[in-house]
Amino acid sequence: GQNIDQPTEMTATEGAIVQINCTYQTSGFNGLFWYQQHAGEAPTFLSYNVLDGLEEKGRFSSFLSRSKGYSYLLLKELQMKDSASYLCAFTGGSYIPTFGRGTSLIVHP
Amino acid sequence: ETGVTQSPTHLIKTRGQQVTLRCSSQSGHNTVSWYQQALGQGPQFIFQYYREEENGRGNFPPRFSGLQFPNYSSELNVNALELDDSALYLCASSRESDYGYTFGSGTRLTVV
Repeated sequence: GQNIDQPTEMTATEGAIVQINCTYQTSGFNGLFWYQQHAGEAPTFLSYNVLDGLEEKGRFSSFLSRSKGYSYLLLKELQMKDSASYLCAFTGGSYIPTFGRGTSLIVHP
Repeated sequence: ETGVTQSPTHLIKTRGQQVTLRCSSQSGHNTVSWYQQALGQGPQFIFQYYREEENGRGNFPPRFSGLQFPNYSSELNVNALELDDSALYLCASSRESDYGYTFGSGTRLTVV
């Protein structure tokens, strides 16, 4: 079957670095998304990894290991506005994203 | 401005009633998916439409149905509402060749 797992909640300090992990199981795999969702708002696209390795985009980087069914989102130089839920989602043969429950990140001063 | 708009933003309905939620996608976005997001959970896939045909369905009963129109708008209909249907309903669209989905801000449905 299909399964995706990520931590429920994480806390970090402003200016620090945080890594949010995501593991998944699926029989067919095409790619892995990361979305950011502030409370009461729509999810916004952060990254999409298809191949193994690290992709960097400003303060945010995303890593994928297809053989391990593992991804992480790395946030550097944390800001208070980064407090949000971070959603991991994979696409299988249907290209329809299957989402995890999200990781609530709390950034404190 | 996300380019995907949903209406209404909030809605309160009584158990047993029917509801229609609407989504207007960006021009050229011929793929639309609907998701249900309960509080503290990730979005759960309801169904997807591609060029006005249902293209995939999640684990939701038949009382959840949808339509997609040629003008890139779509509807989610839910019959015989249950208390557990209370959630944020998200619409997400993409162009055929895109991998990234653009989400609307959602409709918060409360069933009492």
